[in-house]
Amino acid sequence: DTGVSQNPRHKITKRGQNVTFRCDPISEHNRLYWYRQTLGQGPEFLTYFQNEAQLEKSRLLSDRFSAERPKGSFSTLEIQRTEQGDSAMYLCASSRVTGQPYIQYFGPGTRLTVL
Amino acid sequence: GIQVEQSPPDLILQEGANSTLRCNFSDSVNNLQWFHQNPWGQLINLFYIPSGTKQNGRLSATTVATERYSLLYISSSQTTDSGVYFCAVATGTASKLTFGTGTRLQVTL
Repeated sequence: DTGVSQNPRHKITKRGQNVTFRCDPISEHNRLYWYRQTLGQGPEFLTYFQNEAQLEKSRLLSDRFSAERPKGSFSTLEIQRTEQGDSAMYLCASSRVTGQPYIQYFGPGTRLTVL
Repeated sequence: GIQVEQSPPDLILQEGANSTLRCNFSDSVNNLQWFHQNPWGQLINLFYIPSGTKQNGRLSATTVATERYSLLYISSSQTTDSGVYFCAVATGTASKLTFGTGTRLQVTL
């Protein structure tokens, strides 16, 4: 089966602009996760969905961030009024929720640079 | 929340050498995964190992859940093994992963 895909792979934007990223999970996976990774750190959890329901949001997800998974398939992550501190790699992962193992598979990430 | 510590933070090896990477975690876990992050940022799954021992080629891993640690062994290292190795854990089934800060491995000729 195909893996997790993310688009775009790179995004350069100016401070104050809005950006949107897309994640397509592995087709039979009904759980989808977003993580953020800054330079020299491990990925940090942002939010996750089971089907179309957003079940948990991290304190890292400020009001400028919104995520959706409208039909329980692909997901979008939008950042409004970007700030330089939003520069990071945004990673998406998916997993099954029933039947072990609950392995999370990651996409290639979207690298955001805010100028 | 759960704490994950990895050691050593940096490791330089000559090609052909063996190494052991360690991951300590502060609570019981239902999921433990080891990843290799390549230079382009892709996280590659190495092992799903909440307990027990597994081997895959030159790599093997052991998790002692009762003592809250996991070890990743790399034997006969190659330059392509270079990169950052992350341990990540989850306390619930199919829930969010908490990552350690990683071990940066450099394998030289």
